[in-house]
Amino acid sequence: QQQVKQSPQSLIVQKGGISIINCAYENTAFDYFPWYQQFPGKGPALLIAIRPDVSEKKEGRFTISFNKSAKQFSLHIMDSQPGDSATYFCAASSGGSEKLVFGKGTKLTVNP
Amino acid sequence: DTAVSQTPKYLVTQMGNDKSIKCEQNLGHDTMYWYKQDSKKFLKIMFSYNNKELIINETVPNRFSPKSPDKAHLNLHINSLELGDSAVYFCASSQLQVTSGNTIYFGEGSWLTVV
Repeated sequence: QQQVKQSPQSLIVQKGGISIINCAYENTAFDYFPWYQQFPGKGPALLIAIRPDVSEKKEGRFTISFNKSAKQFSLHIMDSQPGDSATYFCAASSGGSEKLVFGKGTKLTVNP
Repeated sequence: DTAVSQTPKYLVTQMGNDKSIKCEQNLGHDTMYWYKQDSKKFLKIMFSYNNKELIINETVPNRFSPKSPDKAHLNLHINSLELGDSAVYFCASSQLQVTSGNTIYFGEGSWLTVV
């Protein structure tokens, strides 16, 4: 119930393409869904987050789509750039809890 | 100015040794964490402190002992190190906002290798 399942494990995209990473959860109490971006040798950093009262949130080239009934959310990276190459983690938490449950990560490679 | 800083960045040590990792945050946050990231990049919470009080203690061997002298510092002491303890340990902090969610700020990690 506490798990967040993330796919794919790795993704290779050409420059300019769209990168899509998917996550699914079981715990209906989850009400906060952030995505974190981690570059090699660095700590994860918040990229974008969504709450279940909206179905989509866009920040620049990054969009979260949220499907409450399916208990799924996804990250779309439009016009992917080599600088986007990193590991992306979805996560979820509930009720203002400090505990953030992370997916297993997706290694994105954007080829020039 | 580094928001969450941890030392050392790299640590190579022999099995059976005891080691500590120190963490400091200058964000004024009330909550601090230790996360472990294994070789497969999986991020798992170990401990969380809120205002020096332990609030999350996941299933972690009791060889791992966190200590929070004040709300800006959270150290991790590991006794009798084992090969399986090799990982990256991330310190993090947050200021919980119930209405907007819990944004966690991570340090750059401490690479622990046990040989």
